[in-house]
Amino acid sequence: NAGVTQTPKFRILKIGQSMTLQCAQDMNHNYMYWYRQDPGMGLKLIYYSVGAGITDKGEVPNGYNVSRSTTEDFPLRLELAAPSQTSVYFCASSPPGGGGVYEQYFGPGTRLTVT
Amino acid sequence: QKEVEQDPGPLSVPEGAIVSLNCTYSNSAFQYFMWYRQYSRKGPELLMYTYSSGNKEDGRFTAQVDKSSKYISLFIRDSQPSDSATYLCAMKVTGGFKTIFGAGTRLFVKA
Repeated sequence: NAGVTQTPKFRILKIGQSMTLQCAQDMNHNYMYWYRQDPGMGLKLIYYSVGAGITDKGEVPNGYNVSRSTTEDFPLRLELAAPSQTSVYFCASSPPGGGGVYEQYFGPGTRLTVT
Repeated sequence: QKEVEQDPGPLSVPEGAIVSLNCTYSNSAFQYFMWYRQYSRKGPELLMYTYSSGNKEDGRFTAQVDKSSKYISLFIRDSQPSDSATYLCAMKVTGGFKTIFGAGTRLFVKA
């Protein structure tokens, strides 16, 4: 099991460019999440998905979009990148069912710099 | 007021010390209380969780929840240099999808 994988590991974007952060999991988890982590701050939820074809906004969705066409993949799209989107992005997944939803499995993160 | 407050540290202790990490929260509906450990440049990993109130012990780690005071703690006994990491508390309500994370406390254990 690879768990949760994210690509790329690092990326530098110019202001106004767009990119897609890739996330995949091979644990057959229904729930998937995107977070951003800024220095000294907790993880902030950007978007989440409870299954293929179903997504919803988290706390900080502005400037981002997601799609979930398969159980395994949950890409995050940045349109018109801004310096405020400089952050470390983590994808996570959790197993289905009531008790399992508390535990999230995280990927290694993508470090994004927008200049 | 933030829903979850956590002192970011850093906290530096000698090897073998007992470490106490804490969080306070404001939402009385939280029922799941988790501690995640995050090594430098890695993703967080779940260390322990507690449902509702009480204590839970796992080896050198003990998690405590005091719902009356809206206060949770993680104790690390006989701390080791390998415990050096950022510890994030996290909380959620039953049935919800949204987990609220604290800012994380950076811990350094010196050999």
